[in-house]
Amino acid sequence: AQSVTQLGSHVSVSEGALVLLRCNYSSSVPPYLFWYVQYPNQGLQLLLKYTTGATLVKGINGFEAEFKKSETSFHLTKPSAHMSDAAEYFCAVSDWGGAAGNKLTFGGGTRVLVKP
Amino acid sequence: DTEVTQTPKHLVMGMTNKKSLKCEQHMGHRAMYWYKQKAKKPPELMFVYSYEKLSINESVPSRFSPECPNSSLLNLHLHALQPEDSALYLCASSQGLASEQYFGPGTRLTVT
Repeated sequence: AQSVTQLGSHVSVSEGALVLLRCNYSSSVPPYLFWYVQYPNQGLQLLLKYTTGATLVKGINGFEAEFKKSETSFHLTKPSAHMSDAAEYFCAVSDWGGAAGNKLTFGGGTRVLVKP
Repeated sequence: DTEVTQTPKHLVMGMTNKKSLKCEQHMGHRAMYWYKQKAKKPPELMFVYSYEKLSINESVPSRFSPECPNSSLLNLHLHALQPEDSALYLCASSQGLASEQYFGPGTRLTVT
């Protein structure tokens, strides 16, 4: 069974500082990995995804993530935090459901607070 | 256009009411999903439709009844809900079963 662990349910960063959100996964097959962001009272927005190929993935809003198979990690980073980055972030792994369907397994989420 | 729309945005219903949530996408996606999200928790998958057929039901109580009338529409019919069913209900769609999912803004449901 798939599982996703996000280290740290809350992260506080200063504006302009590095944002680092940690995600580790377990999967019995090569995974598809995703980061989503959720602003208050809104749905989830896809930040970036890893399927195959280049292990460093660039997404929207200046975020990027690196897939490290040996560490079973997919950490999310942004060099310089902006006030608008304050939100909940979810890492997710996709199960190869085949004909049965695609099931996303989410981590518990990390709430990011940006201090001015 | 990567938009999934959901109506209504907010819904308050009593435990004896019958109501429906609606989800629509015009991206040509062939898989659609319903999730339930409680406060401060990740979304939990409820149902998956693939090519308008129900492919996954995550042991959801029968008071939740999904329907996929066509490839663009997904409904969730609600009947005899309990207060613990109060949550944000999210719809999502994807091009295929292994593709990224695009989420709608959700319906905030309160059961009184």
